[in-house]
Amino acid sequence: DQQVKQNSPSLSVQEGRISILNCDYTNSMFDYFLWYKKYPAEGPTFLISISSIKDKNEDGRFTVFLNKSAKHLSLHIVPSQPGDSAVYFCAASGGNAGNMLTFGGGTRLMVKP
Amino acid sequence: NAGVTQTPKFQVLKTGQSMTLQCAQDMNHNSMYWYRQDPGMGLRLIYYSASEGTTDKGEVPNGYNVSRLNKREFSLRLESAAPSQTSVYFCASSEYGPNEKLFFGSGTQLSVL
Repeated sequence: DQQVKQNSPSLSVQEGRISILNCDYTNSMFDYFLWYKKYPAEGPTFLISISSIKDKNEDGRFTVFLNKSAKHLSLHIVPSQPGDSAVYFCAASGGNAGNMLTFGGGTRLMVKP
Repeated sequence: NAGVTQTPKFQVLKTGQSMTLQCAQDMNHNSMYWYRQDPGMGLRLIYYSASEGTTDKGEVPNGYNVSRLNKREFSLRLESAAPSQTSVYFCASSEYGPNEKLFFGSGTQLSVL
């Protein structure tokens, strides 16, 4: 049973518009959440993170929102650029997961010029 | 800056063959990880090493063994490869634990026939 789920396998957005990538989790013990970005034939790279004591974290064009009651987080990219086209993974850690980072299945974002 | 280096990049094995995936990091990180990525499954943790001299099982350890040779190197061994082990394997490191950003290698594409 996947504890971290990204229900949209793909998302297509026009350049300049907002991209919203969603992630749901089931383990209420998770207390730290991260987003990673992956280009083809490369390893994932860290994008942004948020602790459960916050509900928002912003870094330039990227903002992560956390709704603990709904066990839901989202990544907003504004404005979207063609270079943002990649696979995005959300991940969670904490509680009884200890040193393990649990990843979602990924969402492929395509930003069209 | 090399970061995390994995070898080989590609490998084809026959069922029952053995092989070792090598990983080295030059960032003086304490923690190292091995993940596998399968379509729709995200990245799943195979084994990790929180510090030199320690290793622990992750989510999917069956069929694998690891060695933390020193602080820099963390190898993954398949003793008797099976088709179910066809996957992309990523090594990663972090300074202390998964709540800090993980730095990933570029991956090893493994096919077991």
